[in-house]
Parts: sequence; C-alpha cells; structure tokens
Amino acid sequence: DGGITQSPKYLFRKEGQNVTLSCEQNLNHDAMYWYRQDPGQGLRLIYYSQIVNDFQKGDIAEGYSVSREKKESFPLTVTSAQKNPTAFYLCASSIWNFYGYTFGSGTRLTVV
Amino acid sequence: DAKTTQPNSMESNEEEPVHLPCNHSTISGTDYIHWYRQLPSQGPEYVIHGLTSNVNNRMASLAIAEDRKSSTLILHRATLRDAAVYYCILMTPPGSGAGSYQLTFGKGTKLSVIP
Repeated sequence: DGGITQSPKYLFRKEGQNVTLSCEQNLNHDAMYWYRQDPGQGLRLIYYSQIVNDFQKGDIAEGYSVSREKKESFPLTVTSAQKNPTAFYLCASSIWNFYGYTFGSGTRLTVV
Repeated sequence: DAKTTQPNSMESNEEEPVHLPCNHSTISGTDYIHWYRQLPSQGPEYVIHGLTSNVNNRMASLAIAEDRKSSTLILHRATLRDAAVYYCILMTPPGSGAGSYQLTFGKGTKLSVIP
C-alpha cells in the first residue's frame, strides 16, 4: 500500500545533539512538507520541497535543515541551534500543493 | 494568508448529525476550502475540499455559503471514531502569489462524541 513512513515514532535526544527524522513516501508525490505541532496547537510549517534538490523555508525554519536528494525522501535534521525542539513532527506529501495532502503518523521528539 | 475561525470545541451525540462551522471572511476568489481531521497522536487526515459548490464524499459533506465567507462540514451520523480535531484551511492554488504551496493550520475544533 502507498503511504508515508516516518521513523522513528519516538525519539529522545540529549541537549546539544543533532538528530535526523526520516520521512519516506511511495506515492510518487512531487511535493513534501515538514510540520511541527506543540501540545494543544495547530501545525506550523518548517520546510517544504516541490521538486528534488529544491526546498523552501516555512514559518519556523530556524534551527532545522532538510535535504531532498530523492523524490521519495525528505529527511529533517533538528540541530542544536533549535532552542525548544521537543514537539510532535509531521511529514506530508502531495501531488501538487493544490490537492489533498497525505500525512505520516509522526515522530515525537523529546529532549532530555 | 487568509485566516479561518472555528469554535474551540463541540460535542455531539453518537449517531446524530454534526455541523462544524468555519468562518473565512477574507477568502479570495481563488482560495479552496479544505478540511482535515486529526485523531490523537496521529497525522491529519484529508476529509474534503471545495471551491463554490457544495461537495459530498464518503466521509462528509461540505456546505459553502453563497458569499463564500463561511462553510460547514457536515458529518451525517457521528460515530465514536469521528472524535478528533477538525481543521478548516484555505489553500491558494499555485501561481496565485504569497501563501501558495502550504497548508496553514489553526487550532481547529475539537469534536467530542458522546455514546
């Protein structure tokens, strides 16, 4: 079945460490997105990519980095520069931004 | 970006219809109205979208006001599995300037379904 796979589901990181969250899709979607969600809040856009080797900053890109070397993959790195990284991270994809998005099941990152 | 306003929470009895309202008074002529829902600890799920006409699919119906400044998501018979946060979002098609290429989520409406 086609879909988006995010791994791991839960992730613990020590302060000062970088960590990379995985996002893979087999839907042949062009566009991919990373969102962050804090408790009781809506989703906020971190980065998005419309095509391979191209990506754009969203509303809260500071302290994060991404790459898009393959159409299927859009990993997100949470760097030590992100001051409050504990959150629920969601990856999504779409054929083009106009149509419905498909979301992964998320990665819950906790800084310890 | 065009904004939407939704009630923070709503309750419904099981097997009764639910009408979830959304106001979007600053909507532009090319903005589509999208609805997503999110179950606890899961990613959002696409529900339905429309432009001007009312829309139906297997999950829900979308009623859009004639002036497009408001819309209503209708769940015809609420079940316990429909308990979720429902997001009403305006999406600008490609090429229409700022706000393209992204969904902007508000806090949504938390729907509770009472058995």
